[in-house]
Amino acid sequence: GQQVMQIPQYQHVQEGEDFTTYCNSSTTLSNIQWYKQRPGGHPVFLIQLVKSGEVKKQKRLTFQFGEAKKNSSLHITATQTTDVGTYFCADLYGQNFVFGPGTRLSVLP
Amino acid sequence: EAQVTQNPRYLITVTGKKLTVTCSQNMNHEYMSWYRQDPGLGLRQIYYSMNVEVTDKGDVPEGYKVSRKEKRNFPLILESPSPNQTSLYFCASSSQHASNQPQHFGDGTRLSIL
Repeated sequence: GQQVMQIPQYQHVQEGEDFTTYCNSSTTLSNIQWYKQRPGGHPVFLIQLVKSGEVKKQKRLTFQFGEAKKNSSLHITATQTTDVGTYFCADLYGQNFVFGPGTRLSVLP
Repeated sequence: EAQVTQNPRYLITVTGKKLTVTCSQNMNHEYMSWYRQDPGLGLRQIYYSMNVEVTDKGDVPEGYKVSRKEKRNFPLILESPSPNQTSLYFCASSSQHASNQPQHFGDGTRLSIL
């Protein structure tokens, strides 16, 4: 079945540093959704990418969909302590969602 | 307020004792889904439902049942729970088909099966 991978598994950064998490698959990704889960919380939808090469921005967050639709990335510029949490990508495979294992971000003040 | 409500939030029970986790949404969403979250594995889909009386298996359906008799409710049933079903469970909903629509998650249910 479809497998979605994410790297890195963990990332520790100093506040103000940039952060990037990568989502990839051996098969073509359909629609990529990105979610953020704060510690002790539930996943919260951030954005969806549909088109090859698509780039979307939300303030300090930049989301990209690869040209071949086999990878996606989330980049955070100048991290803040409020960015702490686990970031998940999810692909719609057939009728169901397949989530990556997530990247846990720690931000040191 | 638009929300997905799960109950209970926490449950400790014993092997073999049937339990039901309820999920209700007030957004008139067609699509509902159950996930389990385990360390290092992310969220894995158990079952999903595209509308009333329409349910289908996700990636890890073994040991679980669901029903969708009403649009707003999507209960998760563990007929004979086992320790390997100890996990954090999330219910989610989205409007129409899953594609192109964000999923709204409940606050989660932490189950411990002894």
